[in-house]
Amino acid sequence: GNSVTQMEGPVTLSEEAFLTINCTYTATGYPSLFWYVQYPGEGLQLLLKATKADDKGSNKGFEATYRKETTSFHLEKGSVQVSDSAVYFCALRGSGNTGKLIFGQGTTLQVKP
Amino acid sequence: EPEVTQTPSHQVTQMGQEVILRCVPISNHLYFYWYRQILGQKVEFLVSFYNNEISEKSEIFDDQFSVERPDGSNFTLKIRSTKLEDSAMYFCASGRTGDGYTFGSGTRLTVV
Repeated sequence: GNSVTQMEGPVTLSEEAFLTINCTYTATGYPSLFWYVQYPGEGLQLLLKATKADDKGSNKGFEATYRKETTSFHLEKGSVQVSDSAVYFCALRGSGNTGKLIFGQGTTLQVKP
Repeated sequence: EPEVTQTPSHQVTQMGQEVILRCVPISNHLYFYWYRQILGQKVEFLVSFYNNEISEKSEIFDDQFSVERPDGSNFTLKIRSTKLEDSAMYFCASGRTGDGYTFGSGTRLTVV
């Protein structure tokens, strides 16, 4: 079945450091891929998405490229801020049309001043 | 920006009691979902709802769970007889399509 694997957290970085959070997936067909962010005490917010191979999703300085050959969708940001501290979830939506999302286990990012 | 609204934000209930979690999806959305997140664990799909019926449900969504869209604006999740292991954050979500939908801020359910 479909699954998503994220790198273990927590990830602790200093402000302005480069961020990579790895995400790989297993899926049949052509899934859509997403990154969601959960700030403390809040719900899930869509950060970015990509719907086909080689697409790059980007938002708020974050970006991720859908790599079919390596089944990956790694999240990157060139210079993190303290306000980026949150839990980041990689997710996929399979080829079916119900819209069901399969989430990774989440990666906690802590950015220190 | 339109929001998905969930009430209450926190509910405490006794084991064996029925609870109803309420959601108001974004008004022109057609697809509706419930997910849950047990503390410290991953977000898990419960059920999807489209065209006034369940389109998919997970193995978690057993006979104790039901969903309803009673009046065209609310979308509810009912748990008939709560168990301790039902304690979790429950998220409602809605979308115009089945892609990249909007989540509510969640209801924290505590079963004691």
